[in-house]
Amino acid sequence: DIQMTQSPSTLSASVGDRVTITCRASRSISSWLAWYQQKPGKAPKFLIYKASSLESGVPSRFSGSGSGTEFTLTISSLQPDDFATYYCQQYNSSPWTFGQGTKVEIK
Amino acid sequence: EVQLVESGGGLVQPGGSLRLSCAASGFTFSNYWMSWVRQAPGKGLEWVANINQHGNEKYYVDSVKGRFTISRDNTKNSLYLQMTSLSADDTAVYYCARDTAMATGAFDYWGQGTLVTVSS
Repeated sequence: DIQMTQSPSTLSASVGDRVTITCRASRSISSWLAWYQQKPGKAPKFLIYKASSLESGVPSRFSGSGSGTEFTLTISSLQPDDFATYYCQQYNSSPWTFGQGTKVEIK
Repeated sequence: EVQLVESGGGLVQPGGSLRLSCAASGFTFSNYWMSWVRQAPGKGLEWVANINQHGNEKYYVDSVKGRFTISRDNTKNSLYLQMTSLSADDTAVYYCARDTAMATGAFDYWGQGTLVTVSS
């Protein structure tokens, strides 16, 4: 199985900050990577697919990059609604696997 | 509007069984792969199983193989997860999710989840 590792596990930031979350795969997944946002008690929300493609309706302050084994999710200017937990997920090969999550907290 | 509504969760004793359902609306259900994803309390996300549009291809994470069965009824726009031999490790919120049209394995819509608690 492909292991996904996110860093950091927790990130403290302020409104307006640029935030970057890293996701590493245990072997190459090409660009078959998705990012999700989850708020407490809610279902995950689909943000980005194929490493860098923004899902329709997702604000343009979110962006993704990377390929192979190294990926990043960047929020260009953190907004109050962005405080949440973010998960990366590979869909290169089954079983589909998620990172452990990165919680973005208010500083 | 795409909607996925899970039901069937609850408290079950170790070794017991439970059947989860997911009612889909707002899209052509028979055109999409569908998945179940779970989240143990305070933990991350774990893909559990998926099924193709016709119901004749099914895949499972190793930890549930032989115990869980995914199925669908396209005439009822419904997805199911039959769970047997449940243990405490299966305690989680179970989400029904739609695979994207572009590629199976990424999930663009999720239900609100149904909680399964395995405890004596």
